[in-house]
Amino acid sequence: GAGVSQSPSNKVTEKGKDVELRCDPISGHTALYWYRQSLGQGLEFLIYFQGNSAPDKSGLPSDRFSAERTGGSVSTLTIQRTQQEDSAVYLCASSSYRGDTEAFFGQGTRLTVV
Amino acid sequence: DAKTTQPPSMDCAEGRAANLPCNHSTISGNEYVYWYRQIHSQGPQYIIHGLKNNETNEMASLIITEDRKSSTLILPHATLRDTAVYYCIVPRWSNNDMRFGAGTRLTVKP
Repeated sequence: GAGVSQSPSNKVTEKGKDVELRCDPISGHTALYWYRQSLGQGLEFLIYFQGNSAPDKSGLPSDRFSAERTGGSVSTLTIQRTQQEDSAVYLCASSSYRGDTEAFFGQGTRLTVV
Repeated sequence: DAKTTQPPSMDCAEGRAANLPCNHSTISGNEYVYWYRQIHSQGPQYIIHGLKNNETNEMASLIITEDRKSSTLILPHATLRDTAVYYCIVPRWSNNDMRFGAGTRLTVKP
């Protein structure tokens, strides 16, 4: 595809259920980022993948959050036992591994926990 | 990332130039300055980036001070559609990690 694709675009789930959010980066991009944006707030860094290196998980808010990136391409962000405070837009971005190239963002997944 | 400091909000009259400042006093010699913007309910959009020299593209101009400790994003003729949150970031050179601050909320008024 031409851009970063995220699915689903919207997800409503019940408190306590697990959810999986998917990100398809731009082909050939080795860097992949996940962010969370709560209503009216800024972009909160969650996790960063770079090629085959161990991901930077320093932004994950709790052990209920995990992410993987299979084959250096598609990434899945999993939230276990969802809570109402997990309601937010989850954004994914990808870029080439060079300091002088921009990142491209998907349109996000809006997660609502009821 | 090199820490960046931006004013929380700014207003600009439609048709006038919008000048958005950013301080990045801890920037390293090989780190770039990037600007993104986020229009309500959309994913962030890349605007421009630079290392040392001033840069211009179809969207904006970027002026970087000689000591590289600050920069200014210029939208030469702001329109209502330029109302957005503007983020200045300096990704860590070692691994291109990107962390965003609060940005500047620019409101373009008729």
